[in-house]
Parts: sequence; C-alpha cells; structure tokens
Amino acid sequence: DLQLTQSPSFLSASVGDRVTITCRASQGINNYLAWYQQKPGKVPKLLIYAASPVQSRGPSRFTGSGSGTKFTLTISSLQPEDSATYYCQLLNTNPPYTFGQGTKLEI
Amino acid sequence: QVQLVESGGGVVQPGRSLTLSCAASGFTFSNFGMHWVRQAPGKGLEWVAGISYGDINKYYADSVEGRFTISRDTSTNMMYLQMDSVRPEDTAVYYCAKDEARNSDFPIGFYYWGQGALVTVTS
Repeated sequence: DLQLTQSPSFLSASVGDRVTITCRASQGINNYLAWYQQKPGKVPKLLIYAASPVQSRGPSRFTGSGSGTKFTLTISSLQPEDSATYYCQLLNTNPPYTFGQGTKLEI
Repeated sequence: QVQLVESGGGVVQPGRSLTLSCAASGFTFSNFGMHWVRQAPGKGLEWVAGISYGDINKYYADSVEGRFTISRDTSTNMMYLQMDSVRPEDTAVYYCAKDEARNSDFPIGFYYWGQGALVTVTS
C-alpha cells in the first residue's frame, strides 16, 4: 500500500511566520491529498480538499500545493490559533485512505 | 445542519464483538460516502473503513479487514461498524465522518465528523 510520510514531525514557529509542512508519498498520487488540522481534544478540521485544482475549506492563509510524490501545506502568516497537529490524507483514488503520521505545530 | 452522532462505545474483552452506530442528519445520506476513522490514545488518525454512496463499495484498512464490517441503513440514516474479534490495539476513539463529494466513486475530504466513541479493549 502507498505510504505517506510527513515532515517535520514537530515544528516550533512564531506568530507571523510562514511555515511549510511536507507530505511525501511512496508513489505518485496526482493531487489526491487532503489536509486536516486537529487541536487537542477536538475533531479534525478539513483544510484542503483532495481535488484538482486544489480547493480550500479553511482560512485563506492555508494553501496546499504539490504533485507527484511531494505535497506541501503552507501557512502564510501564523496565528496563535494555528497551534495544532496537521495531517495529510490520501483520497480521491482507490483505498486505503491513509493518513500521514502528523506534524505538531507549536506557536 | 449536518450532524453526526456516534454511539455504542465502551469496554470490551479481547476476542469479543461490539457494534458502533452513527446517526446522520441534515443531508441526503445515500448520496455521500461515509467513513470510520479512529485515533488511539495519544496517537495519530487512522482510516478504518468506508462505504461509498449508494452502498456500491465497502472498503477496509488492512488492520481490520475480515474483522470489521461497515454498513448503513438509508431508511433510518444510520451507519454501523460491527467490530468482531477485537484486539487491544483496536482501543481508540472511533469517529464517523462524511465525505464532501456527492455521488462520487472516491472521497475528496471529510469535513463533518462526529464527536467520537471511545472503544477500550481490555481483559
């Protein structure tokens, strides 16, 4: 099965910073990647759909890009409320709909 | 508005069975794929199973294939996850989630989630 590897696993940044989280697939997956944000004790929140072109469901400072095996989630100007764990997920193709292992972002 | 409410969680012994339910409302249930996602304590998200719109296809993660069964009843807007031969590693919060794509063969993103049902497998 296809594997998704997120990096970094942990990221510390400051308010106003631009940060990028990477999700690498073990094989090419076109644009079939969604991104989620999860805060402690809360359900995941969909930020980016697995669609082409990339479609956002979250605030405009969150953008998704990439193709093939490398995908990124960029937060253009970090806000205090962006402190969370972020996950990528393979979708829009045959299952399994694997999640990445997560990236914990500390502000 | 869209609501998903899980029930049926609890403590179960290894090897036994448990059935989770997800009550859906606020949308045309049969037109959307539905999924179960779990999260072990302190761990990441794991996709468990999915059922496509119109119940055309059912999908499972390798870790639960042959032990778990996903189903739904469109007359009552209920989705189920029958969990047989449970193992300690099945201990997790189980979420039901709705895909955003209408009448689609493949999911594109889970925007609506239930609050989760905790399943603890222990002797």
